[in-house]
Amino acid sequence: GENVEQHPSTLSVQEGDSAVIKCTYSDSASNYFPWYKQELGKGPQLIIDIRSNVGEKKDQRIAVTLNKTAKHFSLHITETQPEDSAVYFCAASKGHYGGSQGNLIFGKGTKLSVKP
Amino acid sequence: ETGVTQSPTHLIKTRGQQVTLRCSSQSGHNTVSWYQQALGQGPQFIFQYYREEENGRGNFPPRFSGLQFPNYSSELNVNALELDDSALYLCASSLAGQTYGYTFGSGTRLTVV
Repeated sequence: GENVEQHPSTLSVQEGDSAVIKCTYSDSASNYFPWYKQELGKGPQLIIDIRSNVGEKKDQRIAVTLNKTAKHFSLHITETQPEDSAVYFCAASKGHYGGSQGNLIFGKGTKLSVKP
Repeated sequence: ETGVTQSPTHLIKTRGQQVTLRCSSQSGHNTVSWYQQALGQGPQFIFQYYREEENGRGNFPPRFSGLQFPNYSSELNVNALELDDSALYLCASSLAGQTYGYTFGSGTRLTVV
């Protein structure tokens, strides 16, 4: 089955710097790659996602890139702010239909700390 | 538009007991999925319900069961609780059985002692 590896497990940056989190997946049939932000005591919140027919997507300070050949995708956060501090999860899915084929397979998470 | 709400927020149970967790889907969503998140780990898929039927299941034993009601609310039931069942249980709703655009609730923190 699908396996998603996420690195690094912890990341500390200075406010204003950029942060990059990388994930690799094993199942070439995966076609949907969301990123979630989870703050303490809350559920995961979708921050950006990308489908396999797109190589890059950007939303203000957040961007995601996808390399289907290498089976890896990355989250880029620019101009980091203290409120970006949280745990970030990548996930992979076969996407369009749910159930056991389309469910999300998550990485183990990256704890991002942004120091003022 | 309301989000996904889960109840209770925290729960302590004794090993061997049974527990029921509840979820109300986001308005307009007709699919609900349940995930288990152990401390320091990513969420793991338990099962999904669409049109009141189980529409896929992860690697969880039959003592994990669920229901989806006509109003799209849902329950997760766990029988014969084990210490390893201690985790955050997350409910996520979406449209038409899709994984796109999941909305997660804040979860129920279950502690088994």
